Amino acid sequence: DAGVTQSPTHLIKTRGQHVTLRCSPISGHKSVSWYQQVLGQGPQFIFQYYEKEERGRGNFPDRFSARQFPNYSSELNVNALLLGDSALYLCASSEGVPGMTGELFFGEGSRLTVL
Amino acid sequence: DAKTTQPTSMDCAEGRAANLPCNHSTISGNEYVYWYRQIHSQGPQYIIHGLKNNETNEMASLIITEDRKSSTLILPHATLRDTAVYYCIVLGGGTSYGKLTFGQGTILTVHP
Repeated sequence: DAGVTQSPTHLIKTRGQHVTLRCSPISGHKSVSWYQQVLGQGPQFIFQYYEKEERGRGNFPDRFSARQFPNYSSELNVNALLLGDSALYLCASSEGVPGMTGELFFGEGSRLTVL
Repeated sequence: DAKTTQPTSMDCAEGRAANLPCNHSTISGNEYVYWYRQIHSQGPQYIIHGLKNNETNEMASLIITEDRKSSTLILPHATLRDTAVYYCIVLGGGTSYGKLTFGQGTILTVHP
């Protein structure tokens, strides 16, 4: 079975532009989470979606938004890009409902560079 | 979720056991200890998690002290491919496990 897939793997944008990152979870997984990882730091939680509803939001500005589709894939959108948005954006999927224990399966990430 | 403290870096010889400590002195009764690792340029990978009892799987063992204020991840026979950043994370039982709080982690270097 395929793991978590993310696209694009690398992209370059300029300040003020908008970006859309995509994630396909493992088949059967209904929960998707997004993380931002700035160079040299651990991943930081941005959003979690379960059954197409937002179940958690991290401390990120409103420029960041996401959604989950009926097939459980997800998009992360970032508007008005800043230089500080340059990072590796990670998507993770899981099978269980929020509140249960289990493991997250991470994709390889989308590396965004903002010039 | 409780805060964790890990050493910044550790070294281990190939073939030897790697013991990675984690302090979580403010952990509460319903909080789990999770371990993930991140190999350079890859997404984090789940290793193991536990609540009270020691746990073992094909990758590692997790030893949690009786007072649950600290734990140790053990890689029994480290290989060069185990070189990675290892994250110890405490997660509340009622908290979504889709929301993990990563710290700085421990950079483990396995050398020949």
